Amino acid sequence: NFMLTQPHSVSESPGKTVTISCTRSSGSIASNYVQWYQQRPGSAPTTVIYEDNQRPSGVPDRFSGSIDSSSNSASLTISGLKTEDEADYYCQSYDSSNHEVFGGGTKLTVL
Amino acid sequence: QVQLQESGPGLVKPSETLSLTCTVSGGSISSYYWSWIRQPAGKGLEWIGRIYTSGSTNYNPSLKSRVTMSVDTSKNQFSLKLSSVTAADTAVYYCARGSMGGSYHYWGQGTLVTVSS
Repeated sequence: NFMLTQPHSVSESPGKTVTISCTRSSGSIASNYVQWYQQRPGSAPTTVIYEDNQRPSGVPDRFSGSIDSSSNSASLTISGLKTEDEADYYCQSYDSSNHEVFGGGTKLTVL
Repeated sequence: QVQLQESGPGLVKPSETLSLTCTVSGGSISSYYWSWIRQPAGKGLEWIGRIYTSGSTNYNPSLKSRVTMSVDTSKNQFSLKLSSVTAADTAVYYCARGSMGGSYHYWGQGTLVTVSS
């Protein structure tokens, strides 16, 4: 099984831009879609990016996703940071056997 | 609007079997797959497995020997059984609806299951 590695935490100021990485340990990052979830304390996760770079309706365009085959990683970028963006963010993908993996999560602090 | 609701005992004794059911409302259980995902307190998300309405399953290899999932399309429900539980299985358990690209747009609110004697 593969792993998805995220930074434990990131912090940035309101109005700035932050990027959270998600590196796949084996297998190509481009072979299977990557999703990103936001989770606030006490709540279930919600999707902010699906299928690498698609935004669900209702998610502001400040959120964007991308993949980089050269580093075998995916990235979630949040621009124009707001205090309401403070949350845990998880990447998720799967392999050819339909086994799914979540990254360990990144705590975003907006200070 | 699709809604998912987990139900089941909140307390399970060590070595016994954890059983949860997820009831889907506001939409048919057909045409998607359905997953269980758990989260120990203060830790990250762990995928347990998925089931299709055909009954086909995929399980997390680390839990496969203890996991059984089933689906009842007539009741719009799917279920999880996790056997031989230990304290390490204490977590909030979520059910979720999966879509073709692998994403989960609909989640239950989660239910806390504590393993303790």
